[in-house]
Amino acid sequence: DTEVTQTPKHLVMGMTNKKSLKCEQHMGHRAMYWYKQKAKKPPELMFVYSYEKLSINESVPSRFSPECPNSSLLNLHLHALQPEDSALYLCASSQARGSGYTFGSGTRLTVV
Amino acid sequence: DAKTTQPNSMESNEEEPVHLPCNHSTISGTDYIHWYRQLPSQGPEYVIHGLTSNVNNRMASLAIAEDRKSSTLILHRATLRDAAVYYCIPFENSGGSNYKLTFGKGTLLTVNP
Repeated sequence: DTEVTQTPKHLVMGMTNKKSLKCEQHMGHRAMYWYKQKAKKPPELMFVYSYEKLSINESVPSRFSPECPNSSLLNLHLHALQPEDSALYLCASSQARGSGYTFGSGTRLTVV
Repeated sequence: DAKTTQPNSMESNEEEPVHLPCNHSTISGTDYIHWYRQLPSQGPEYVIHGLTSNVNNRMASLAIAEDRKSSTLILHRATLRDAAVYYCIPFENSGGSNYKLTFGKGTLLTVNP
C-alpha cells in the first residue's frame, strides 16, 4: 500500500458544527503532516507529528485540533470554524529519514 | 529557510523536452533539493530529489549546478498529463524529527497538444 487516504473527500459544515477529517497510511511512515491550501496558492504547513507526538504547530488557531491515535492514523478535529477556513486540507506522510512525502488527495472543506 | 525563485509559468508542446529552472542561492550545504508537482484537483506528488549529483528516475531528471545555487528539472518528453504546478523545495533531510517541507509559489506548466 503506497497511498495516503483522506476522508471525507468533501465536507460542508456550519460555523457551529464539530467535524473531523481523517487520514490513514499503511506505509510504516512515522511522520505525518496536515497542510491547508487555499485556491491558487501553495500548500501551507499546519502541523507535524513525529512518532505520534506533535512536533510542530505553525501557530494554527485552536479551532483546529490535531490528533494522532496511532502510527497509521491522523485526525484533524474542527470546531467553530469561520468561512475563511474553507480550503483544501491535505494530509501527508514520510519516513522519519524519508526521501519524500506522500500526499493524500485532500478534503475539500466549505464552511457556511 | 532557503528561498527559491521559479518562473510563474511555462509552456511546452507535447512530446518535447521541458526544462524547469529553479534558483536557490541561499541553500545550505546540507539541504537536499526536492521537486514536487501538483496536478489539478489533486494533492502534491513527489517527483525527484538530489543533493549534489544529477539524478534520474522514471519521472524526470534533476540537474544540479556545481555551486548548488540552481537546479533544473527535466521532463524528457512532455505529455498532457504533465500539466501541473511544479514546486522546487530546498529540504533539510537530516533525519531529525523537526524538519518541514515548505512550498513556494511554483511554476505552472502548460502542455499544448
